[in-house]
Amino acid sequence: QSALTQPASVSGSPGQSITISCTGTSNDIGAYNFVSWYQQHPDKAPKVIIFDVNNRPSGVSFRFSGSKSGNTASLTISGLQPEDEADYYCSSFTANSRVFGGGTKLTVL
Amino acid sequence: QVQLVQSGAEVKKPGSSVKVSCKASGGTLSGSAISWVRQAPGQGLEWMGGIIPMFGTVDYAQNFQGRVTMTAAEFRGTAYMELSSLTSDDTAVYYCARGTITIFGVNKDNYYGMDVWGQGTTVIVSS
Repeated sequence: QSALTQPASVSGSPGQSITISCTGTSNDIGAYNFVSWYQQHPDKAPKVIIFDVNNRPSGVSFRFSGSKSGNTASLTISGLQPEDEADYYCSSFTANSRVFGGGTKLTVL
Repeated sequence: QVQLVQSGAEVKKPGSSVKVSCKASGGTLSGSAISWVRQAPGQGLEWMGGIIPMFGTVDYAQNFQGRVTMTAAEFRGTAYMELSSLTSDDTAVYYCARGTITIFGVNKDNYYGMDVWGQGTTVIVSS
């Protein structure tokens, strides 16, 4: 399966909001509400921050939110904080498999 | 929350196999699924496959079909991933991740997320 498409990088200043897009097809994002987002700091394991399109696990800040329209999912981070600087990956279910996006590096200026 | 503890780093020769373990600390794998994800140096995440121990079902990503074997000892709380015919392209950090199972649709398909991750196991393939 082809990878989902994410921008390679985004940036924002503390306090601002940013949105990361994740574009797939009608066979993955468009077909299922099983989209997740993962945050990965350098040399750390990924951590789920959004599951099933727009659900936050316990302990994840309300500043993280997810949505989906058609074949594109989005992650919005509001009130950017320095600790949000990390790599972000989207993932979707597809035909008994999973596909990841290529990852987006978020820089907090 | 149950943590996943993976086996230690490995250095392997091209053509050999590697087996990585993933143990749920203080618990079993009952009612859960385990996915395996790898990350080559400086690269993104790649799903390798997953196993649902209580159903005995395994799904492998197309890229790894025929070369990967995933098993689990449900009540010992341990899952295993074995990758054979290693090449330098298999040099990566290998993660296990645990998820709860969702049954959906008229065909009763199953989905499991990747909610809790292991610390990762570095596998280096070098002659």
